[in-house]
Amino acid sequence: GQSLEQPSEVTAVEGAIVQINCTYQTSGFYGLSWYQQHDGGAPTFLSYNALDGLEETGRFSSFLSRSDSYGYLLLQELQMKDSASYFCAVREDDKIIFGKGTRLHILP
Amino acid sequence: GAVVSQHPSRVICKSGTSVKIECRSLDFQATTMFWYRQFPKKSLMLMATSNEGSKATYEQGVEKDKFLINHASLTLSTLTVTSAHPEDSSFYICSASSGRADEQYFGPGTRLTVT
Repeated sequence: GQSLEQPSEVTAVEGAIVQINCTYQTSGFYGLSWYQQHDGGAPTFLSYNALDGLEETGRFSSFLSRSDSYGYLLLQELQMKDSASYFCAVREDDKIIFGKGTRLHILP
Repeated sequence: GAVVSQHPSRVICKSGTSVKIECRSLDFQATTMFWYRQFPKKSLMLMATSNEGSKATYEQGVEKDKFLINHASLTLSTLTVTSAHPEDSSFYICSASSGRADEQYFGPGTRLTVT
């Protein structure tokens, strides 16, 4: 089966950089995804890493190390609107299994 | 692109009644749709996976006779909560994929309250 571990909460200051880590255990691995969810809203897809390394999309970057079963989401130049929950997820066959989510609090 | 709609956004029903939730992919054909439920401040729990024209695959512990899923076309899937009870109150979210499960597009969710 799959299991994903990520911190339950992270607090950072507006304008700063924050990293949200995710470790996973899987029977088979196809890639690590990240999703953002604001309170009361649906998750939105942020990024996907199938290979080792860093993928950058604007202020957000995602990193994967398959040998360490580890990845992270990096958010730069934090804005108040980035306050949300962030979920890492792995694919198992034709479905996605989500981590429990990291709630990001941003202080002005 | 990749817009998924869900209807209704909120519904309140009485215990014992049934509720149907629709999920539509508006600008792409969704070969696979997924149904999740989410309790407050919790993660998304996959309930079932549905492929167009075939029976849904339910996750362990999800009653298929209680949560009826129909995926009649490449743009529409429905979830019917039958004989709803207060413990079924939750946020139900669908997502659609055009082929890669890694990239799913989520509907806005349906808040179900059973009184």
